[in-house]
Amino acid sequence: AQSVTQPDIHITVSEGASLELRCNYSYGATPYLFWYVQSPGQGLQLLLKYFSGDTLVQGIKGFEAEFKRSQSSFNLRKPSVHWSDAAEYFCAVGEDTGGFKTIFGAGTRLFVKA
Amino acid sequence: ETGVTQSPTHLIKTRGQQVTLRCSSQSGHNTVSWYQQALGQGPQFIFQYYREEENGRGNFPPRFSGLQFPNYSSELNVNALELDDSALYLCASSSGWGLINEQFFGPGTRLTVL
Repeated sequence: AQSVTQPDIHITVSEGASLELRCNYSYGATPYLFWYVQSPGQGLQLLLKYFSGDTLVQGIKGFEAEFKRSQSSFNLRKPSVHWSDAAEYFCAVGEDTGGFKTIFGAGTRLFVKA
Repeated sequence: ETGVTQSPTHLIKTRGQQVTLRCSSQSGHNTVSWYQQALGQGPQFIFQYYREEENGRGNFPPRFSGLQFPNYSSELNVNALELDDSALYLCASSSGWGLINEQFFGPGTRLTVL
C-alpha cells in the first residue's frame, strides 16, 4: 500500500527566507504526487501536481516541487516566504488500484515570523 | 460558477446516533470523494463516487456509506457513531474519471461526537 511521510510536524521560517518542506512516499510505480495547502477555516487547495515528464513542477503562489525517484521524494520549495504562506501543507500520492484514492501525509504546519 | 459546498458546517451528535452530511459538487463535476480529517492529521480517504457508482473505498467500516445523486451531489452517512468519528469531513469534486483531474475541496463539516 502507498504511504506518505512528512518528517516535519512544524517549521518556522522568517519572512523573506526560503522554504523547503519534505515529503517521502512509498509506491511501486510512477506515482501521482500532489501538494495541498490548508489555511484555517478554508478548504484544501491544490498547489501543484506531478504525473510525468519534467521532474521540476511549478505551482501557484510561487511554489515549486521536485520529484526525485531515487530518493522517493517530492519536496516543496519557495524562494521567498510571505506571511500569508503560514498554513498547513499536505503532500499526497494518488493510487489507482480498484478505484482512485488520494493518500495524504500528516501535514507540516508552517509558521512565518516577521 | 459555484464551488463545492457542504452542509451543515458544524454538527454535534451523541454516541450511537446516525448522521448525514451533504455535499454539492462544483458545476460540471461528476466525481465526488469523501475524506475524514481528524484533528492534527491529514485527510483519510473514505470513498469515491463516479456517476452514482462507488469507485473506490478506503479502510472504513461499512457503517460509513454514501450516495451520489443524478445531479452529482452526494451524501455521507455514518451509523452507530463512535467518539473517534469526531473529525472534519471533507468532500471533493472533480470532472471525469481518474486522478489526473484536479479535486476541488469544500470547506468541510465539523462533526463532534459526545
